[in-house]
Amino acid sequence: DAGVIQSPRHEVTEMGQEVTLRCKPISGHDYLFWYRQTMMRGLELLIYFNNNVPIDDSGMPEDRFSAKMPNASFSTLKIQPSEPRDSAVYFCASSLGLVGTQYFGPGTRLLVL
Amino acid sequence: GNSVTQMEGPVTLSEEAFLTINCTYTATGYPSLFWYVQYPGEGLQLLLKATKADDKGSNKGFEATYRKETTSFHLEKGSVQVSDSAVYFCALGSSNTGKLIFGQGTTLQVKP
Repeated sequence: DAGVIQSPRHEVTEMGQEVTLRCKPISGHDYLFWYRQTMMRGLELLIYFNNNVPIDDSGMPEDRFSAKMPNASFSTLKIQPSEPRDSAVYFCASSLGLVGTQYFGPGTRLLVL
Repeated sequence: GNSVTQMEGPVTLSEEAFLTINCTYTATGYPSLFWYVQYPGEGLQLLLKATKADDKGSNKGFEATYRKETTSFHLEKGSVQVSDSAVYFCALGSSNTGKLIFGQGTTLQVKP
């Protein structure tokens, strides 16, 4: 049974470039979460979706960040333009139900030069 | 607001030693409590959970008891192995929003 799939696993880009991170949740899960992990701030929830609809995006740091979920099996997190302070590990997680156990993907390690 | 506080690491132990990682929380309502583990270069994996007061979560020799009176969810293991070396996160799940709030993580290093 496949877990949460994220791509790419590593991304190195230059400041000002657009970055797109991808996530495929576990089949049948109705909630999808995007997190960011940094040494300074730990794990932060950025946004989450229910049945493809964004429910809470209060954790999105600024307008440069956007997330979409066009269907139940795919979500993207986009940063445009990227900045060095966006360097972090970005995790996607999915769950069945609002308070169901969240299962995490392996993460995308982003480095913005 | 809701928050989670973990003991600072790193924690360094010898193999077969007893492990305790402290976790306390502040919350309104009736949250669920979780311990996640992150091995180097990997995502977070659920280790155990408890959904109500006095529940004990257990998995792979690890245990934690949901203590409402002390607002704690300390992680314990009687005999650690080198393979337990990882970062451990305590987390609180809001009963209203389902959002997980994580502690800052505690790095455990077990030496042979």
